[in-house]
Amino acid sequence: KQEVTQIPAALSVPEGENLVLNCSFTDSAIYNLQWFRQDPGKGLTSLLLIQSSQREQTSGRLNASLDKSSGRSTLYIAASQPGDSATYLCYTETGANNLFFGTGTRLTVIP
Amino acid sequence: DGGITQSPKYLFRKEGQNVTLSCEQNLNHDAMYWYRQDPGQGLRLIYYSQIVNDFQKGDIAEGYSVSREKKESFPLTVTSAQKNPTAFYLCATQGGGANEKLFFGSGTQLSVL
Repeated sequence: KQEVTQIPAALSVPEGENLVLNCSFTDSAIYNLQWFRQDPGKGLTSLLLIQSSQREQTSGRLNASLDKSSGRSTLYIAASQPGDSATYLCYTETGANNLFFGTGTRLTVIP
Repeated sequence: DGGITQSPKYLFRKEGQNVTLSCEQNLNHDAMYWYRQDPGQGLRLIYYSQIVNDFQKGDIAEGYSVSREKKESFPLTVTSAQKNPTAFYLCATQGGGANEKLFFGSGTQLSVL
């Protein structure tokens, strides 16, 4: 069964710093990997979806990369802002209805 | 929330009571999912449905029931058999089968009185 790990569980950075969030998975036979943001008491907001054939996706200050062979994805956030403070979750899909979530990294950007 | 409506936002359950959480979508997505989220834990799958009138148990289905009578609706009932129901419940949809984006509702926080 796929295991998805996100380390660290929590991260604090000063405003303006560039940062990287990590997502590791054990089964490299994934269809895709998706990054989400979750604010306290809210649902998950999709940030980026990387298909298995892709290496990276970019949206604004966010860049997500995928290395299936090593079982890793990273979410790069440039020039972090206090509004980026949230929990970031990744999930992988290995088939229909086989969706596996990480436990998330709680990011705090300090003004 | 992207066309997925979960209600109510907060729900309180008395002991021995069944309660139903609503999930409605206007995205015309076939697949719908219910997840449970506990503090410090990842999302755990309760039930999912790929098509109307069909649904499958997820990893933690005991104490829960669902129905899928309409494509737009996938209500979740938390029965009295679920002894630890306090959690944040999230509904999600996915269109076009596998390999498509997952969309989430805004969630329902269920607490026990």
